[in-house]
Parts: sequence; C-alpha cells; structure tokens
Amino acid sequence: QVQLQESGPGLVKPSQTLSLTCTVSGGSISSGSFYWSWIRQPAGKGLEWIGRIYASGSTNYNPPLESRVTMSVDTSKNQFSLKLSSVTAADTAVYYCAREPDFWGKGTTVTVSS
Amino acid sequence: EIVLTQSPATLSLSPGERATLSCRASQSVSRNLVWYQQKPGQPPRLFIYDASYRATGVPARFSGSGSGTDFTLTISSLEPEDFAVYHCQQRSNWPLTFGGGTKVEIK
Repeated sequence: QVQLQESGPGLVKPSQTLSLTCTVSGGSISSGSFYWSWIRQPAGKGLEWIGRIYASGSTNYNPPLESRVTMSVDTSKNQFSLKLSSVTAADTAVYYCAREPDFWGKGTTVTVSS
Repeated sequence: EIVLTQSPATLSLSPGERATLSCRASQSVSRNLVWYQQKPGQPPRLFIYDASYRATGVPARFSGSGSGTDFTLTISSLEPEDFAVYHCQQRSNWPLTFGGGTKVEIK
C-alpha cells in the first residue's frame, strides 16, 4: 500500500517561497508509469490541481500557477517536492501530495501571513 | 481548461433516501472522470473511476454513470457515513480540473 506524507513549514511570509516535500513509502517513486501530484484546497473551498511530476523529472503545471511553481523529484530518497514563489494570502490552503487518483497524503496546512 | 460544474452545491437528505449528484463538463471528457468522497479533516478518497467503476471497498449503493459531458453519482440509500462532500475530477485533458463539490448533508 503506497503511503504519502507531506512535510514543510506551516507558516510562510508573504512574497516568500513555500517549500513542501512529499515522502513516498510502500513503493518506489520510480516504478511504473505513475506521476506524482500536488493539489491544494483553501479552507471551505474546492480542490485545485497544482501540477504533476514523473520520476523522469518531466513536469506539467496548472497554467494560472505555472510562473510561480517548480516541482522536483529525488528518486534516491523516494521524495518529490513543490516550490511556490511570491506567495500571498491567497495561497493559504491545505496542500496534498498524491499519486492520483487513489493514493493521497493526509495534507498539510500552509498559512501565508506576516 | 475544462470546467466542471457540480450541482447542487448542497443536498439535504435523510438517511435511507436516494441521492443524485451531477457533474457537467464544458467539453467532452469521454469517460475519464472520477468521483471522490471527502470528510472533514481528511483527504479525498477515490470512490468512482472511469465514470462508473467503484474503487476498492466502495459499497454497492454507490454508482456512477455518464460519458461525454454529463455524469451522475447516485447513492441508492444514504447511510450515516455517506454524509460528506463529493468532488468530480476530469482526467481527460491537462490541466486536470475538479468540480466545486457537492455537500450531502443530513436533513
């Protein structure tokens, strides 16, 4: 059973860069043709797909966020990461990593505030 | 991008009643649509994939139907544990997109 766990700061200052890491266990991040995603959900709102990365490092980002998003993968650590630059209060949300559609992390809350 | 519109936003029903949730896509997604259930403080859980196939462990009272632009999630007889938010997601075109969700609440 694949498990995912998000980690990173819960508080980020406006204009700074949000950095999160997702650690995968119960399976290799390099196995199969899966991709690994980041999704976020502001409190009380719907889900927003941020982007995805393959073990090869190939990425696709959601266009509205593309200029601020960078994803990377570290196959030796079985981890993948998200960086979101120039954050504002609108980026406050629960951030999920996932191997869509069936395996999701529990989510981590990130608040953007000074 | 493909816009998914879920209706209604909130469905107020009693246990034992039938629930019918709609997800409409702005353009065809074939059958590349999934439904998730989400409870407070939890991540989404896959319930239906490829429009009509139940994920592992999902009770038979849940069924999905549709193709193209119109999809339906039906819960034949609501159990207490079914009261939650249901999200649809299209997995046909990049970027993947979600609907706004339907909250099924106890009447």
